[in-house]
Amino acid sequence: GDSVTQMEGPVTLSEEAFLTINCTYTATGYPSLFWYVQYPGEGLQLLLKATKADDKGSNKGFEATYRKETTSFHLEKGSVQVSDSAVYFCALSAPGAGSYQLTFGKGTKLSVIP
Amino acid sequence: DSGVTQTPKHLITATGQRVTLRCSPRSGDLSVYWYQQSLDQGLQFLIQYYNGEERAKGNILERFSAQQFPDLHSELNLSSLELGDSALYFCASVQGPWDNEQFFGPGTRLTVL
Repeated sequence: GDSVTQMEGPVTLSEEAFLTINCTYTATGYPSLFWYVQYPGEGLQLLLKATKADDKGSNKGFEATYRKETTSFHLEKGSVQVSDSAVYFCALSAPGAGSYQLTFGKGTKLSVIP
Repeated sequence: DSGVTQTPKHLITATGQRVTLRCSPRSGDLSVYWYQQSLDQGLQFLIQYYNGEERAKGNILERFSAQQFPDLHSELNLSSLELGDSALYFCASVQGPWDNEQFFGPGTRLTVL
């Protein structure tokens, strides 16, 4: 079945450091790929998405490129801030039987220290 | 604020009991997904409803059931609760059956003692 593997955390970075969170996937067909963020005590918010190969999703300084050849969708940010501290989830949806349910990775907790 | 509401925010109950979690989708959204987030299993899809009809089932236990009402709100019923059912339960809504951008509610934290 479909699956998502993302790097385990926790990840601790200093403010203004470069961030990479690796994500690879296994899916049949052509999935859409997502990064969701979960701040403490809150629900999941969509951070960015890409729906086809070579698409780049971007939002709030975060970027990820859909790489079909390496089945990857790594999240990057050039300069993290304390406010980026959260748990980040990579996810895919591959329509089957008319549903777009999300398959999630296990999440990566990011802590940014001043 | 995603526009999706879930009640209650917290629920504490005992093993063997039954609870009902409620979700109201964004205005205009016809489809509701339910997910469970636990330390052991991570985030897992449970079930999806579209316009009152069940559309897809994931890793939902037989002790769990759901429905979507004519006003489009959805309820997730959990019965014969076990300690392992303690988790965060999220619902998410989308407008149509082919939309793939889901908007999540704040979740209901269930604690089974």
